[in-house]
Amino acid sequence: EIVLTQSPGTLYLSPGERATLYCRASQTINSNFLAWYQHKPGQAPRLLIHGASNRATGIPDRFSGSGSGTDFTLSISGLEPEDFAVYYCQQYGSSPPRLTFGGGTRVEIK
Amino acid sequence: QVQLVQSGAEVKKPGASVKVSCKASGYAFYNYGVTWVRQAPGQGLEWVGWISGYSGDTNYAQKFQDRVTLTTDTSTNTAYMELRSLRSDDTAIYYCTRDYSAIYPWYFDFWGHGTLVAVSS
Repeated sequence: EIVLTQSPGTLYLSPGERATLYCRASQTINSNFLAWYQHKPGQAPRLLIHGASNRATGIPDRFSGSGSGTDFTLSISGLEPEDFAVYYCQQYGSSPPRLTFGGGTRVEIK
Repeated sequence: QVQLVQSGAEVKKPGASVKVSCKASGYAFYNYGVTWVRQAPGQGLEWVGWISGYSGDTNYAQKFQDRVTLTTDTSTNTAYMELRSLRSDDTAIYYCTRDYSAIYPWYFDFWGHGTLVAVSS
């Protein structure tokens, strides 16, 4: 099973600042099959990025994903008030399929 | 528009079973899969398993392999998750999601509102 480690655990930032979130895999993720989700309390998670760098439909361009192999990054340029949430990475590149999530990064208002 | 409507909250005793439903609408059910994800209180997201909306093929997380069964009813575009031999640590919100692939578990572009399953004696 591929273990995903997200860092930092919590990020304290102010609106307008840039957020950089990391996701490291215990082994290479085939075809960069990595997704990012945003999760707010009381709501269902929302898909942000798939294939490491492809924004999902309707996601603002301040969200961007990058990386390959074992190291991936989610960047949020210019935090908006609605961006304060928990972010999870998820891999879907293992064979046989054993999908896994990272432990999450909480982005909080400083 | 894509909608995934899940059944209501359940309270079960340890050792019992629960069956959660997820009715899909607004898209061609057979072109996608359904993945189930859960979140225990204060914890992160955990993959439970996937079922193809096309073939009914399934893939389960090893942790749940012996206790979970995913099924679909293509006549009503409804997916079901049955979890047996419930324990207190199965208490969680269970989400159904639209998995982008009907061939292989992939990523999830739409999510249901979640169903709380509470296990308590």
